[in-house]
Amino acid sequence: QVTLRESGPALVKPTQTLTLTCTFSGFSLNTAAMCVTWIRQPPGKALEWLALIDWADDKYYSASLKTRLTISKDTSKNQVVLTMTNVDPADTATYYCARKSGAADNLDYWGQGVRVTVSS
Amino acid sequence: NFMLTQPHSVSESPGKTVTISCTRSSGSIATNFVHWYQQRPGSSPTTVIYEDDQRPSGVPDRFSGSIDTSSNSASLTISGLKTEDEADYYCQCYDGSNWVFGGGTKLTVL
Repeated sequence: QVTLRESGPALVKPTQTLTLTCTFSGFSLNTAAMCVTWIRQPPGKALEWLALIDWADDKYYSASLKTRLTISKDTSKNQVVLTMTNVDPADTATYYCARKSGAADNLDYWGQGVRVTVSS
Repeated sequence: NFMLTQPHSVSESPGKTVTISCTRSSGSIATNFVHWYQQRPGSSPTTVIYEDDQRPSGVPDRFSGSIDTSSNSASLTISGLKTEDEADYYCQCYDGSNWVFGGGTKLTVL
């Protein structure tokens, strides 16, 4: 059974660094073609892709946020971590992690999301 | 990079059929697969159609997907509408380095 669960602070102050952790089970990021990605959704708005890391430790970032994001994995803990620097109230959103597996490029399993508010 | 444009909202009555479009701004719609996600209020998205027209196991055959190169768009069609289909629907493509989502369509079943 594949599960993903996001964790992180509910409230972050502007200019701080946000660190989010995705803890997963039911698959391994050591398996070829396996990837974990981060997506966010501001309140009442659309989904926005942020970053992806694959089994080979290749990393991909949204062009608009690339300078502020870092994605990493710890396969021994089955975790993927996303850091976002210099946060702003516009970064207030629900942050999801999701899995991409195999040759298909859809996201087949999603976490329940973590709500993050950026406010002083 | 390209954009995917969806209607903001659609509504239809139970038992009817509704189609949600997703238009690609540049490049051919046939170049990359289109996937569709359903997001019910307060829940995470789930895949209802992947690779243009494939249905994951567990998704009713009332859901179907297609692409139309003449209009450079993809479509999600839901037939025999049920109140449980009321949700936001998002199309998505991967262009080799970016995952692009449409703006989402709110489906109201009234």
